[in-house]
Amino acid sequence: QQQVKQSPQSLIVQKGGISIINCAYENTAFDYFPWYQQFPGKGPALLIAIRPDVSEKKEGRFTISFNKSAKQFSLHIMDSQPGDSATYFCAATRGGYQKVTFGIGTKLQVIP
Amino acid sequence: GAGVSQSPSNKVTEKGKDVELRCDPISGHTALYWYRQSLGQGLEFLIYFQGNSAPDKSGLPSDRFSAERTGGSVSTLTIQRTQQEDSAVYLCASSFGVADNEQFFGPGTRLTVL
Repeated sequence: QQQVKQSPQSLIVQKGGISIINCAYENTAFDYFPWYQQFPGKGPALLIAIRPDVSEKKEGRFTISFNKSAKQFSLHIMDSQPGDSATYFCAATRGGYQKVTFGIGTKLQVIP
Repeated sequence: GAGVSQSPSNKVTEKGKDVELRCDPISGHTALYWYRQSLGQGLEFLIYFQGNSAPDKSGLPSDRFSAERTGGSVSTLTIQRTQQEDSAVYLCASSFGVADNEQFFGPGTRLTVL
């Protein structure tokens, strides 16, 4: 059972454009939603995270938008750069519970 | 300080053989996680440890998979009688404790079962 659905699975964006990755979850007990970035041959690394008490969180060019009623959240990468080319995973968990459920991943390619 | 390390980085084995994958977490991290990453399957949770105990083993695919952690530090994931479908990258992560703390991932072990 895929509790966190992520789309698209691949994305090609031109340099300077906006990359948008969407995720939807089913378990209303989830209360922490991190995004991880993974470069080839490396393990994932935390990029940005949000809790459902806020609707948006911004860190530099990266923004998470969160819609609690729709059980959806998304990652926006503004002014996308070739160095952003990587695989992005959304994830969800609930406080105090160790298991983190990941989305299937989105392979982003930013072309010059 | 040093990050999470995993060994070996690559492992090629024959079907039916047993393999052991090792994870050295960041010093002081009490929680340790194992994930499997297969092509097109995302990150699949296998097991986590809080200290030396494993409260949640629900992700282990079969009884051929087992894991242990000793001294609250190093962990070993063992796959017995490997099958071709076990081929994947096995990732280890550690964190200070609860899951809403950042998980720091190692580079993974790429396992190929021939």
